[in-house]
Amino acid sequence: NAGVTQTPKFQVLKTGQSMTLQCAQDMNHNSMYWYRQDPGMGLRLIYYSASEGTTDKGEVPNGYNVSRLNKREFSLRLESAAPSQTSVYFCASTPGGMGYGYTFGSGTRLTVV
Amino acid sequence: SQQGEEDPQALSIQEGENATMNCSYKTSINNLQWYRQNSGRGLVHLILIRSNEREKHSGRLRVTLDTSKKSSSLLITASRAADTASYFCATDAWGGGSRLTFGEGTQLTVNP
Repeated sequence: NAGVTQTPKFQVLKTGQSMTLQCAQDMNHNSMYWYRQDPGMGLRLIYYSASEGTTDKGEVPNGYNVSRLNKREFSLRLESAAPSQTSVYFCASTPGGMGYGYTFGSGTRLTVV
Repeated sequence: SQQGEEDPQALSIQEGENATMNCSYKTSINNLQWYRQNSGRGLVHLILIRSNEREKHSGRLRVTLDTSKKSSSLLITASRAADTASYFCATDAWGGGSRLTFGEGTQLTVNP
C-alpha cells in the first residue's frame, strides 16, 4: 500500500517561478489536505477538499491554488513563488467525517531563492 | 493562531523512563489526536481520543483528555531510543469540518 504519495520530494525555485506539487492517495479517502510546516510554527492548513469536487481555504491560502483532479489526486499550485513560501509541504488524507486520523505523505521540501 | 499549544517544547530523558507531553487548546472539540514525526519524515497518527472519552491506551501510549480544562496529555511508558521524534497534538474543533489544527510540537529525545 503506497498510502499518500507526494512529488517532488525536493524543489528549488527562483522568485516568480511557478510550480505544482502533486499528491495522490490510494486509500479511497474522501478528504484531502495541504499543510505547510515551518520551524517553530507547527503545521498550518493551506487548503483542503472535503470531498471530490469541493475545495476550501484553510488558515494560510494566499499565494496558492488547488485542484481536486479526481478522488485520488489533490494538487497545490504556486503561481508566483516568493521566499516566504520556502517550507515543507505535506499532503494528507482521511476517509472523511469525524473520528478518523490523517494519513500523511512524506513531504515536499521547497526552497524559493 | 494555533489551536493547540504543547508543553514542554523539548524533553530529554533516558531510555526506560516515562515521557509526558501536554497539550492545551482553546475551543470545543470533537476529538483530539496525537501524531509523531521522525526527523525529515511525514507525520504518523498515533491515537485519537473523542471529546466524551477521558482516557485511552494504545500499547505504551496513554492519552488523557480533560475537556473542562481544555487539555490533554500523552504519556509514553518505558521509552526507547526509537521513540525519539517530535510529537504533535491536533484538534478537530466543533464545526471545523474535520480540519485538524496542530500545535507546535514537543521534541522528545530518548538517550540510550
